[in-house]
Amino acid sequence: EDKVVQSPLSLVVHEGDTVTLNCSYEVTNFRSLLWYKQEKKAPTFLFMLTSSGIEKKSGRLSSILDKKELFSILNITATQTGDSAVYLCAVNSGGSNYKLTFGKGTLLTVNP
Amino acid sequence: DAGVIQSPRHEVTEMGQEVTLRCKPISGHNSLFWYRQTMMRGLELLIYFNNNVPIDDSGMPEDRFSAKMPNASFSTLKIQPSEPRDSAVYFCASSLARLSYEQYFGPGTRLTVT
Repeated sequence: EDKVVQSPLSLVVHEGDTVTLNCSYEVTNFRSLLWYKQEKKAPTFLFMLTSSGIEKKSGRLSSILDKKELFSILNITATQTGDSAVYLCAVNSGGSNYKLTFGKGTLLTVNP
Repeated sequence: DAGVIQSPRHEVTEMGQEVTLRCKPISGHNSLFWYRQTMMRGLELLIYFNNNVPIDDSGMPEDRFSAKMPNASFSTLKIQPSEPRDSAVYFCASSLARLSYEQYFGPGTRLTVT
């Protein structure tokens, strides 16, 4: 059975701190890894990674994938209170491009 | 674009009652997904439709759950009879089939079965 494990489960930081969120996976026929941000409502798409070592960046958020060691990290620099959310990691695997296996998420709280 | 629309946003019902959740995908998207999210199990795929046809229902927990997509702009997820362990947030998501990994989620329906 495919497995995606995120750590830590929760994290509390102060505004301006830098955080690193971790995602490791064990899946059959890896295709891609995705990061989502879930605030009070629905998850929203952040990044998709398919190749090792290539950093994806969007503003203060960046992510990288290591397909040899089977993990990804999501970095957030100069955190703001608006970054408070659950960050979900998902892996697309198998013979199709639709099936996503999600981790349970990391709850990030940024205090002013 | 209105995004994925789900109704109701909250549903409280008694055990044994029928529950119907509704979803309108983003116009032009031809893939639709139903997910369930709980603290214990996280976000799990229940069923996937492509061009209104169910492709993968392996995540549907049991026969009490059924889903339909009568046309490209509407889908339902029905639970009959409902049980307390069905309490969860149910999300509908849609995507373009060729980009099915990039799914756009609706706001979810929070279901409580007492």
